[in-house]
Amino acid sequence: QVQLVQSGAEVKKPGASVKVSCKASGYTFTGYFIHWVRQAPGQGLEYMGWINPNSGGTNYAQKFQGRVTMTRDTSTSTADMELSRLGSDDTAVYYCARVRSGSSYFDYWGQGTLVTVSS
Amino acid sequence: QSALTQPASVSGSPGQSITISCTGTSNDVGNYKLVSWYQQHPGKAPKLLIYEVSKRPSGVSNRFSGSKSGNTASLTISGLQAEDEADYYCCSYAGSSTYAFGIGTKVTVL
Repeated sequence: QVQLVQSGAEVKKPGASVKVSCKASGYTFTGYFIHWVRQAPGQGLEYMGWINPNSGGTNYAQKFQGRVTMTRDTSTSTADMELSRLGSDDTAVYYCARVRSGSSYFDYWGQGTLVTVSS
Repeated sequence: QSALTQPASVSGSPGQSITISCTGTSNDVGNYKLVSWYQQHPGKAPKLLIYEVSKRPSGVSNRFSGSKSGNTASLTISGLQAEDEADYYCCSYAGSSTYAFGIGTKVTVL
């Protein structure tokens, strides 16, 4: 069955970077884009961007450009999202989700990774 | 990309029907038939309910239906059940390979 399993919770200090991993299984990794969405405590969903596991191509939401880097490792079917220069407003649950190439909806989601930014 | 507008909360009694609106602009909802809806229970990941405005994935109850008119999309839940109590988010493709989410609607079953 399709699964997206994310890495565990992180606590970071302001100004640091965090890397969240998303390991895919149960489908052909290179056939689906991996998107990242975050949700601050008690808030709504916020779109961050995507990576094409086949080509490695990326597209980042304007808000995160210059601060986010998305990568993938096709040998392990894993996509990573690194966010730098963390501030307290980056405290959120970060989700990965897949989108079939050519479509526009998130059909499977990871379980979420809580990133807490605190001094 | 600005967030799509949704009512903060909607409530209904068991068995009733409710509708959640999702208002965007001609740059997102109004320009593409690429609106999707997600259900999120507390502490859980979102779950896909509707895609491409009105299509239901396999396994999603036919009590959930979607539609769109102009810049506003809608999700209707018919035969409201206790298990439908959750947060609901719309999402639209917004061009330039990016997406916009709605601010979310809390559904309460009275």
